[in-house]
Amino acid sequence: GNSVTQMEGPVTLSEEAFLTINCTYTATGYPSLFWYVQYPGEGLQLLLKATKADDKGSNKGFEATYRKETTSFHLEKGSVQVSDSAVYFCALSDFQGAQKLVFGQGTRLTINP
Amino acid sequence: SQTIHQWPATLVQPVGSPLSLECTVEGTSNPNLYWYRQAAGRGLQLLFYSVGIGQISSEVPQNLSASRPQDRQFILSSKKLLLSDSGFYLCALTGNYGYTFGSGTRLTVV
Repeated sequence: GNSVTQMEGPVTLSEEAFLTINCTYTATGYPSLFWYVQYPGEGLQLLLKATKADDKGSNKGFEATYRKETTSFHLEKGSVQVSDSAVYFCALSDFQGAQKLVFGQGTRLTINP
Repeated sequence: SQTIHQWPATLVQPVGSPLSLECTVEGTSNPNLYWYRQAAGRGLQLLFYSVGIGQISSEVPQNLSASRPQDRQFILSSKKLLLSDSGFYLCALTGNYGYTFGSGTRLTVV
């Protein structure tokens, strides 16, 4: 079945550091790929998405490129801020009767000033 | 815009006690509704989804059940909780604006 493997955390960085959170997937067909973010005390929010190979999703300075050849969707940001501290989830969509999401285990990111 | 209300935020229940978690939806009609769970150290796993009133699909065998008595109401239940039911439960919907998640319930079974 479909699955998502995500870089284990927690990850702790200093402000303005470069961020990479790795995500690889296994899927039949051509799923859409997503990054969701959960800030403390809040629900999951869509951060960015890509629907086909070589698409680049971007939002709030974060980027991820749908790499079919390496089955990856790594999340990157050039200069992180304290406000980026959150839990990040990589996910793929699997439409069978309803649009289901298959999630990675989540990566907790802490940015220190 | 579509919103989803989920409560309570945290819950501590003894083993063998019943459970009822509820979520309600606003801003969309006839949404698909979902219950996800995150156990410690694992990703969010889909437990149930519903494409309409009274229609429930179960993704994994478990000690839980779900019901959808109204178009905008989705309930997760258990008759007798197990320690392994501890985790973070998220209600979600897909409607006109894609996926929207509730804020989640952290359940600890003691």
